[in-house]
Amino acid sequence: EPEVTQTPSHQVTQMGQEVILRCVPISNHLYFYWYRQILGQKVEFLVSFYNNEISEKSEIFDDQFSVERPDGSNFTLKIRSTKLEDSAMYFCASSDRLAVQGEQYFGPGTRLTVT
Amino acid sequence: RKEVEQDPGPFNVPEGATVAFNCTYSNSASQSFFWYRQDCRKEPKLLMSVYSSGNEDGRFTAQLNRASQYISLLIRDSKLSDSATYLCVVNRPGNQFYFGTGTSLTVIP
Repeated sequence: EPEVTQTPSHQVTQMGQEVILRCVPISNHLYFYWYRQILGQKVEFLVSFYNNEISEKSEIFDDQFSVERPDGSNFTLKIRSTKLEDSAMYFCASSDRLAVQGEQYFGPGTRLTVT
Repeated sequence: RKEVEQDPGPFNVPEGATVAFNCTYSNSASQSFFWYRQDCRKEPKLLMSVYSSGNEDGRFTAQLNRASQYISLLIRDSKLSDSATYLCVVNRPGNQFYFGTGTSLTVIP
């Protein structure tokens, strides 16, 4: 069964450093998403991406964040200058249809720890 | 008001019991509704979509009441493997999902 993969599974970084979280969505999917989940809290939408551009973003997704699909398979989330409060699990998801029509499939997540 | 609200529980039920979870959403323009389950420190996994007419998948039944902006999930004949957090997920117009905080279920032998 096709699945979304994410690397690394755990990333430790110092405050102020840049991190790039990587995702490989399911191959025939067209819509890509990043979410975060702070420990003990709910899953929060960050950004959706379609046709090589951001389609929607939340208020969390400020100028410190960016996304990119550098090739035909990878989808990345970059945090330019990490803060302690960026520590969370980051999930990538993909779908073959718009959110209104289709279910999203999540990767296993990257646990980001900012020290 | 939160986009999606759920009773966090925890619900502790014996094996074989029937348990129901409820969820309310605030935006009447919401178009799609889902239940996901999340095991501890794992990713959310789709359990089922929720259709206007209600739908069933084995032991799981989902209902949607648009007038009351209310979604429910019923689990019959609970199994130990049903222990997880159940997430109510709502799509607002646009390409994003809103998650509830989840309802914790523990099925006891």
